[in-house]
Amino acid sequence: SQKIEQNSEALNIQEGKTATLTCNYTNYSPAYLQWYRQDPGRGPVFLLLIRENEKEKRKERLKVTFDTTLKQSLFHITASQPADSATYLCALYSGAGSYQLTFGKGTKLSVIP
Amino acid sequence: DVKVTQSSRYLVKRTGEKVFLECVQDMDHENMFWYRQDPGLGLRLIYFSYDVKMKEKGDIPEGYSVSREKKERFSLILESASTNQTSMYLCASSETGKETQYFGPGTRLLVL
Repeated sequence: SQKIEQNSEALNIQEGKTATLTCNYTNYSPAYLQWYRQDPGRGPVFLLLIRENEKEKRKERLKVTFDTTLKQSLFHITASQPADSATYLCALYSGAGSYQLTFGKGTKLSVIP
Repeated sequence: DVKVTQSSRYLVKRTGEKVFLECVQDMDHENMFWYRQDPGLGLRLIYFSYDVKMKEKGDIPEGYSVSREKKERFSLILESASTNQTSMYLCASSETGKETQYFGPGTRLLVL
């Protein structure tokens, strides 16, 4: 069966360090992968999208990689700040006429001052 | 900016009541979605709609129905609320061909 795993439920990191979050999937051939941020009591907010033919995407302090051989995406936040503390969700889109995203359970990131 | 609004932030209902959750988006998106989110289970798709009056079951449709009479509005209906439907309900919309989803703020439903 199809599966998406975000390896850590929670990740604590010191302010200023790089946070790295992992998203692994099995039995998927995603057309692209997205990362969302969710703050407590709020809906997820879109951050970045990376397509299957792209290796890396950047936006300000954020970087996403996508390795379709390893079936893995890494999400990096450089120079992390306490304001980056949130839950981060990865989501896969299989394409082929589907309208749906399938979400991972998320990793709760805490950036400690 | 895309705006997705949900009718209530918090709702308390009794077992057996009929519950309506409303979602409105202002960006003329074709696709709309209803999810529930529970600790340890993540986001699970209940129903989605890719056009007015069209609906498709998601992963957990049992106990729910939906209505989409206008493009901007997507309603989730709990015909007879049960305690196991206590959850955070999230609505989202997307434009066909650009599958980024835009979420509303969520409705936290408590069924007593």
